[in-house]
Amino acid sequence: KAGVTQTPRYLIKTRGQQVTLSCSPISGHRSVSWYQQTPGQGLQFLFEYFSETQRNKGNFPGRFSGRQFSNSRSEMNVSTLELGDSALYLCASSLGLPGNQPQHFGDGTRLSIL
Amino acid sequence: AQTVTQSQPEMSVQEAETVTLSCTYDTSESDYYLFWYKQPPSRQMILVIRQEAYKQQNATENRFSVNFQKAAKSFSLKISDSQLGDAAMYFCAYLADNNDMRFGAGTRLTVKP
Repeated sequence: KAGVTQTPRYLIKTRGQQVTLSCSPISGHRSVSWYQQTPGQGLQFLFEYFSETQRNKGNFPGRFSGRQFSNSRSEMNVSTLELGDSALYLCASSLGLPGNQPQHFGDGTRLSIL
Repeated sequence: AQTVTQSQPEMSVQEAETVTLSCTYDTSESDYYLFWYKQPPSRQMILVIRQEAYKQQNATENRFSVNFQKAAKSFSLKISDSQLGDAAMYFCAYLADNNDMRFGAGTRLTVKP
């Protein structure tokens, strides 16, 4: 069974641009969560989707948005990029509620802002 | 707000020995989940062990076990018979029903041969 797939693995952007990251969950998983990992702030929750609905959102500005498609694949979009958005963005999927079912993480997308 | 604290930025253990990583958390919830994740240099987060707060019995997964003290809000991870492959960043995480998972700052574990 294929794991959680995140694309691209690496991305370089400049300030002011926008970016879209993709996450394909494990087949059959309906919940997808996104996290930002930085050396300074550690791992921070961005949002979680289940059956195309955003169920929960972390404390990030509106520049960060996401969506989930009917096949459970999810995208995360960051607009008007800032230097501080440089981070590893991790996606995790689970069958149902992340607490009831274990979350499986992808390898992440390393985003660098120049 | 729920916070997770890992007070040990770095830990070291000799191969085949036992090491305990500490984690405390703050919450007003009665039902929640606690996790330990491992992140090797390959950067993929791997679930090590999971504990449901309503269960008094400590979770165990092979060489990994936890000491869950609900009243003290403590959730430590014990790794027995440490192996070189155990070297990684270990993150303690908390999750309540609102699905907002909170992570600690992590503990970097080094295993010496």
